[in-house]
Amino acid sequence: EGQLVESGGALVQPGGSLRVSCVASGFTFTDFWMSWIRQVPGKGLEWVANIKQDESEKWYVDSVEGRFTISRDNAKNSLYLQMNSLRVDDTAVYYCVRGASDAFDIWGQGTMVTVSS
Amino acid sequence: QSVLTQPPSASGAPGQRVTISCSGSNSNTGSRTVSWYQQLPGTAPKLLIYADYKRPSGVPDRFSGSKSGTSASLAISGLQSEDEADYYCASWDDSLSGYVFGAGTQVTVL
Repeated sequence: EGQLVESGGALVQPGGSLRVSCVASGFTFTDFWMSWIRQVPGKGLEWVANIKQDESEKWYVDSVEGRFTISRDNAKNSLYLQMNSLRVDDTAVYYCVRGASDAFDIWGQGTMVTVSS
Repeated sequence: QSVLTQPPSASGAPGQRVTISCSGSNSNTGSRTVSWYQQLPGTAPKLLIYADYKRPSGVPDRFSGSKSGTSASLAISGLQSEDEADYYCASWDDSLSGYVFGAGTQVTVL
């Protein structure tokens, strides 16, 4: 079926940087687009970024463009999100998600990123 | 304010049918497929419907999706207590070059 496990969430000061990671297992990682989706506790879902299988295409939501970078290491079945110039409103649970048939079919458990002084 | 519009809440008695709407525009739901997600309290979202009406294996056939023009709907028939959750619709938006979600609908079983 497949599994995604995120890590790297932490408390960071405004203006700081953080990289969150995701390891995939149980499916052929190189066959799928991958995304990061975030959720402020108690609020709705927001798609953050996605990346094509060979990294030739990357797309970002406007609010993170220029600050966040999505990447992947297919040899390690891993997905990353490098977050720079973090703001208080970036505080959220970040989910690693597999894309399939224009939908999100496998979700990780999420990793919490808190931006606060 | 979300690009896709959903009602904030919906409710029904056990066994009844509940329908949740998702309204978008020509740049998203009108030209792209819609997916639906169920989020139980304290858990990650789960895919319920993709490509407007298709169900992944393991999703009960009580859940069904449809779309007409720029509006999509999720129907839950034979409502059960375990269906109490938040439900989200999503679609790619060609103008924004990104995925957009509805704000979510909280379903309550009376």
